Amino acid sequence: GDSVTQMEGPVTLSEEAFLTINCTYTATGYPSLFWYVQYPGEGLQLLLKATKADDKGSNKGFEATYRKETTSFHLEKGSVQVSDSAVYFCALSDRGTGNQFYFGTGTSLTVIP
Amino acid sequence: NAGVTQTPKFQVLKTGQSMTLQCAQDMNHEYMSWYRQDPGMGLRLIHYSVGAGITDQGEVPNGYNVSRSTTEDFPLRLLSAAPSQTSVYFCASRTRTGGAGANVLTFGAGSRLTVL
Repeated sequence: GDSVTQMEGPVTLSEEAFLTINCTYTATGYPSLFWYVQYPGEGLQLLLKATKADDKGSNKGFEATYRKETTSFHLEKGSVQVSDSAVYFCALSDRGTGNQFYFGTGTSLTVIP
Repeated sequence: NAGVTQTPKFQVLKTGQSMTLQCAQDMNHEYMSWYRQDPGMGLRLIHYSVGAGITDQGEVPNGYNVSRSTTEDFPLRLLSAAPSQTSVYFCASRTRTGGAGANVLTFGAGSRLTVL
């Protein structure tokens, strides 16, 4: 069945460091891929998405590229800020399963000044 | 503001008690769902609905009931709470039609439930 595997945390970085959070997926069909972010005490918010191979999603300095050949959707940011401290979830939605969403376990990021 | 509203934000129950978590959305979304979030397990789908009068089970439905009498509301009922149901619950909705917002889940702020 469909699933998402993402890098285990927690991740602690200094401000202005480079961020990579790895995400790989398994899907029976041709999924759309997402990164959601959860700030402390809040619900999940869409950070970015990509709907087909080689698409790059971007938002707030974060980027992720849909790589079909490696079934990956790694999240990157060139220079993190303290305000980026949150939990990041990789997810997929597969038309083959009625567009149900499958989430990774989440990666907690803490950015220190 | 348009979005998904969940109540209550916090609730403490004793084993065997019943309660209902409320979820309402004002975006006219056809699809609504309930997830639970547990440490190290991410989000797991409990129940979902693709429209008024239609509900179906997700990955972890046992111990929970749902109904969908209107497009706006999708309550989650715990008939006899157990400590294993201690969790954070999220309601989420999306449109099923096309467009830029299609297939993007919008989440509520969450309801933290503790069962003693």
